[in-house]
Amino acid sequence: NAGVTQTPKFQVLKTGQSMTLQCAQDMNHEYMSWYRQDPGMGLRLIHYSVGAGITDQGEVPNGYNVSRSTTEDFPLRLLSAAPSQTSVYFCASSHTGVEDTQYFGPGTRLTVL
Amino acid sequence: AQKVTQAQTEISVVEKEDVTLDCVYETRDTTYYLFWYKQPPSGELVFLIRRNSFDEQNEISGRYSWNFQKSTSSFNFTITASQVVDSAVYFCALSEAGYSTLTFGKGTMLLVSP
Repeated sequence: NAGVTQTPKFQVLKTGQSMTLQCAQDMNHEYMSWYRQDPGMGLRLIHYSVGAGITDQGEVPNGYNVSRSTTEDFPLRLLSAAPSQTSVYFCASSHTGVEDTQYFGPGTRLTVL
Repeated sequence: AQKVTQAQTEISVVEKEDVTLDCVYETRDTTYYLFWYKQPPSGELVFLIRRNSFDEQNEISGRYSWNFQKSTSSFNFTITASQVVDSAVYFCALSEAGYSTLTFGKGTMLLVSP
């Protein structure tokens, strides 16, 4: 099993550009989530999904969209990138929910100029 | 609302010293889950332990041990005989039954020097 994979590993955007961060898992996990990590802030939840077709907002959802059309994939879309979205983004999955151990992807380091 | 506090921003020790990382949590629920994750300099997040609120037994795994005390809402992590490879940021996290979110503390950076 590859576990949780994320692409790209690094990305530089200009303000106003859009892009999609990809996340996939091959463990047949129902729960998937996106976090951002900023210095001194820990990890903060952006969006999460409890199954295909079901998504909800986390603590810091503004400026991001998600969809979950399959169990395996949970892409994160930045609609119009802003410098405040410069961060490291982690995708995670677990079997049923947050009560289970979350398995994290390797992260995507995003810089918005 | 659930909250996790890791008051120690950074800890520096010399190899072979014992070190304890503090984690204090707040929750209104009686059923909840606590976690510790390690983030080494390479950046990935490594799961260390999961504990539910009904299991207050302390746990030991090699040089790592965890002390869960509901009376003080704490879930502290001790590394015995620290090693340079223990240098990392350590995160404590909390989830409540019936909710779909996991709340992280801000992390404690541990620096172990030779």
